[in-house]
Amino acid sequence: GAVVSQHPSWVICKSGTSVKIECRSLDFQATTMFWYRQFPKQSLMLMATSNEGSKATYEQGVEKDKFLINHASLTLSTLTVTSAHPEDSSFYICSAISFLTERGPQETQYFGPGTRLLVL
Amino acid sequence: GQNIDQPTEMTATEGAIVQINCTYQTSGFNGLFWYQQHAGEAPTFLSYNVLDGLEEKGRFSSFLSRSKGYSYLLLKELQMKDSASYLCAVRDQDYQLIWGAGTKLIIKP
Repeated sequence: GAVVSQHPSWVICKSGTSVKIECRSLDFQATTMFWYRQFPKQSLMLMATSNEGSKATYEQGVEKDKFLINHASLTLSTLTVTSAHPEDSSFYICSAISFLTERGPQETQYFGPGTRLLVL
Repeated sequence: GQNIDQPTEMTATEGAIVQINCTYQTSGFNGLFWYQQHAGEAPTFLSYNVLDGLEEKGRFSSFLSRSKGYSYLLLKELQMKDSASYLCAVRDQDYQLIWGAGTKLIIKP
């Protein structure tokens, strides 16, 4: 089945530093990827939609200058948390849409394993 | 507004059957998804329904009634590893995913 990877899986950084998270679709091309964040015991919150070759679409309330998204190729999107602060500590998850599954053509969203960010 | 409702928590016994319900009110409908999420991990895809009826996939089945704005996830022969949160998500007319808060399923021996 379709696989999405994220790197790194864990990040601990000092306040004020920038952190880059990579999201890759390993066996399919993804023109669209999504970035979510999830706080403990809460549901997923969509941050932005990443489109290959164009600017990302950010959800209301998400600072685009704070969370930089680059979708450089059909298999790679990156999220950079700039000047991270403790309140940015969260679980960041990316996903990508595959249009083919083992059951035939079916649009399915596959998630990466997530990146846990802790800002001290 | 758009809304997805799921029970917050359910408890079931190993080997039994459990049904997790999801009701939705969204602007349009372009499919309903069920995901499983273990604590500390990302969600994994379970099922996708876009037409009314039951989709069976091994021990898991998902049902959809578009006229009622209702879906359920049925888990049979429960195993301890099924203890997780189950997320219902609906794709609206703009192809945006609207997420439920998730149902935490606790399996007891």
